[in-house]
Amino acid sequence: DAGVIQSPRHEVTEMGQEVTLRCKPISGHNSLFWYRQTMMRGLELLIYFNNNVPIDDSGMPEDRFSAKMPNASFSTLKIQPSEPRDSAVYFCASGPGGGNQPQHFGDGTRLSIL
Amino acid sequence: AQSVTQLGSHVSVSEGALVLLRCNYSSSVPPYLFWYVQYPNQGLQLLLKYTTGATLVKGINGFEAEFKKSETSFHLTKPSAHMSDAAEYFCAVSDLGGNEKLTFGTGTRLTIIP
Repeated sequence: DAGVIQSPRHEVTEMGQEVTLRCKPISGHNSLFWYRQTMMRGLELLIYFNNNVPIDDSGMPEDRFSAKMPNASFSTLKIQPSEPRDSAVYFCASGPGGGNQPQHFGDGTRLSIL
Repeated sequence: AQSVTQLGSHVSVSEGALVLLRCNYSSSVPPYLFWYVQYPNQGLQLLLKYTTGATLVKGINGFEAEFKKSETSFHLTKPSAHMSDAAEYFCAVSDLGGNEKLTFGTGTRLTIIP
């Protein structure tokens, strides 16, 4: 079965540019999570959706970040404008719902802002 | 808010030796507990989870963990380390109230000495 699919795997862009990260969750999963991983801050939850509705976006750093889930099979995380401090690995994860269920992670997007 | 403490950001063991990675959580109510492993340039993969029932849970790759309520701990062990176990390991605890948010520890990087 296909796991969580993220694209692109790597993105290098200049400061000020718009960046869009994409995620296709596992079919049938109701919940989708966006995380950011850095050496300094570890793994941080940015936002999570349940049934395509944002439930908790308290981890979104600032207004430059936005996330959407237009349907059950697709989500985007957008940064506009991007800054060098946004450089990190961004992970998408999906889950079938329920606190006792594990999340399934994609392989991440490594983002470098120059 | 939940918190997870992983004692030791780096652990080194010899091949064939016991692996012990420590995890303590803060919660007055037993949460759901998870261990994930992350190999280089990959996302997190579930090793094992505790939800209810037997306090000793077995996972993939020969790992197991024991939930100890009195110690608020969920340490990860493997009797005999293999070179392929070199990776970063994360302990995670579910949010109270049964929602799906996970709080992750800061991770332990496991190095295997040949």
